[in-house]
Amino acid sequence: AQSVTQPDIHITVSEGASLELRCNYSYGATPYLFWYVQSPGQGLQLLLKYFSGDTLVQGIKGFEAEFKRSQSSFNLRKPSVHWSDAAEYFCAVSGDSNYQLIWGAGTKLIIKP
Amino acid sequence: DSGVTQTPKHLITATGQRVTLRCSPRSGDLSVYWYQQSLDQGLQFLIQYYNGEERAKGNILERFSAQQFPDLHSELNLSSLELGDSALYFCASSPRTGGRETQYFGPGTRLLVL
Repeated sequence: AQSVTQPDIHITVSEGASLELRCNYSYGATPYLFWYVQSPGQGLQLLLKYFSGDTLVQGIKGFEAEFKRSQSSFNLRKPSVHWSDAAEYFCAVSGDSNYQLIWGAGTKLIIKP
Repeated sequence: DSGVTQTPKHLITATGQRVTLRCSPRSGDLSVYWYQQSLDQGLQFLIQYYNGEERAKGNILERFSAQQFPDLHSELNLSSLELGDSALYFCASSPRTGGRETQYFGPGTRLLVL
């Protein structure tokens, strides 16, 4: 079955520290992978996406993610977080045969001052 | 601002009632998607329309229906509402259809069923 797992419901990070949010997927075909961010009371905004090619992708707001096929992972990273990064982060997968986005449960990022 | 608009922002209604949520996609986008976000179920894809025709169906209840009009705006109709239908309903749009399409999300409609 197709699924996305974000094992961390909450993560607390100090401002200025590095961040890694985990995402594992199960998908039978070539996956297309996305990270979205949802700020409180807001809609979802695309941070970055991976279709093919270079496995390290750069996104907006200084985020990057690395696709590792052998580990079925697409972890999101940022070298130094800012208080404005506090939000909920969602990983999602789709494919050529199944256009709908399949979502992880989300990881809530809390920033300590 | 994604360019996708949704009305209303908030909706409070009673069980058994029917409501209509409206979505205007970004200019030029042909695909519209509807999602439900609830605390217990997370984000779930409901349905997709592409250029006026239903393209894909997800976990949409029979009490729910949607359509996309010639001007490409879309409406999601929820009927015989139950307490469990309380959720945030998102609309998203994309230029075309396909797994590689970036979906742009509206701010959502928060539905509370009392």
